[in-house]
Formats: sequence, C-alpha cells, structure tokens
Amino acid sequence: SQKIEQNSEALNIQEGKTATLTCNYTNYSPAYLQWYRQDPGRGPVFLLLIRENEKEKRKERLKVTFDTTLKQSLFHITASQPADSATYLCALDNNQGGKLIFGQGTELSVKP
Amino acid sequence: DSGVTQTPKHLITATGQRVTLRCSPRSGDLSVYWYQQSLDQGLQFLIQYYNGEERAKGNILERFSAQQFPDLHSELNLSSLELGDSALYFCASSFNPDPDADTQYFGPGTRLTVL
Repeated sequence: SQKIEQNSEALNIQEGKTATLTCNYTNYSPAYLQWYRQDPGRGPVFLLLIRENEKEKRKERLKVTFDTTLKQSLFHITASQPADSATYLCALDNNQGGKLIFGQGTELSVKP
Repeated sequence: DSGVTQTPKHLITATGQRVTLRCSPRSGDLSVYWYQQSLDQGLQFLIQYYNGEERAKGNILERFSAQQFPDLHSELNLSSLELGDSALYFCASSFNPDPDADTQYFGPGTRLTVL
C-alpha cells in the first residue's frame, strides 16, 4: 500500500544545533516533494520544493535532500532557534494533477 | 497573513446538519484547494478548482461538495454531518493549477465541531 511516513515522535533539540527531520515514502513515484511548516491552529506555510532530479536544495538555514533510490527526503534546519519550534509536514505529488499527499508531520521543539 | 481568507473561523453544529464553508483566494489566484485536517488522518486533500472548473479530486465524501464561483471564491458544502467530520478545514490558493509550479498559500482554517 502507499504510505508517507514522518518521525511520529516529537524531536527535541537544543538551540544552535541542527535539526534533521525524515520523510519516507512507499509505492509512490513523486516528481517532486514539498516541505511545510505548521504552527498550532494555523494553516501550513510552504518552505521548500525539491524535484526528483535535484539531490539537494537550500534556502537560508534550511536544506532539503531527496533520494529517489532510498525513497526518502531529509529536512535540515541549521543553527536552530526556539522560533523554529513547530510541526513540519512533507508532501508529495501523486502524479494526479493537483493532488498533494501529506505526511502526518513531525513536531520540533527547540529549547533555549 | 497569507492573503487567503476563510469564514467562519469556528462552526459548531449537530449531527445530520448541513454547513457551508467559504474561502476567498489571494488576489489574482485562480486555483483553490480544500483540505481536511483531523488528529487521526492528518492533512487530507479533498478537491481542487481552477478558474471555476474542478481540476483534481481527493478522498472527498459524497456528502461533501464544492464549487468555485465566477469571482473565484469557493464554497465547501458538508451535509448529513457525522461526528467524524469534526476537523479543521483549510483552503489554499495558487495562481498556477500545478502544485510544483506554484506555491500553495493556506488560509487560517475553519474549525468544525459536530456534536
């Protein structure tokens, strides 16, 4: 069956460290993958998109990798700050037009 | 502020009732997406409209329907409500109909509680 899985347990890290979040998928062949940030009670906010022919993408302190062989994307936040505390969602396309499939999200908590 | 507005913010109703959720996309955006987010199911894509036409469909129940009007605002109608329909409903918009070509901007959501 098709699955998209993110770390179900919350990730707690110390300010200044690098946070690494994982997104694994099964039985999908996405052309791209997206990462979103969601704060409690608010809508998701788009962060980064990476295509299947791209290995890595960066934006300021954020870095995303995409390994289509491992069927995995890693999302890194370097020099993390308490303001980075939120739930991070990965989403991939299902090759069906505008349909995005979201993972359950990983809650990140950055302690000062 | 994403520029996407949703009304109402909160809705409390009873089982068997019908409700309408409203979404106004960002100015200039032609595409509207509806999502449902519940604790056990996560964020689920329901349906997409582009310039008034249905473009993509997800796991939307037959009791649910949507439309996009000529002024590009969209409504999601939920009928014969069940307890399990309690969730956050998000609307998102983009200019381009393809999610890889354009960012989706999400609204603040409507929290529906069915008692």
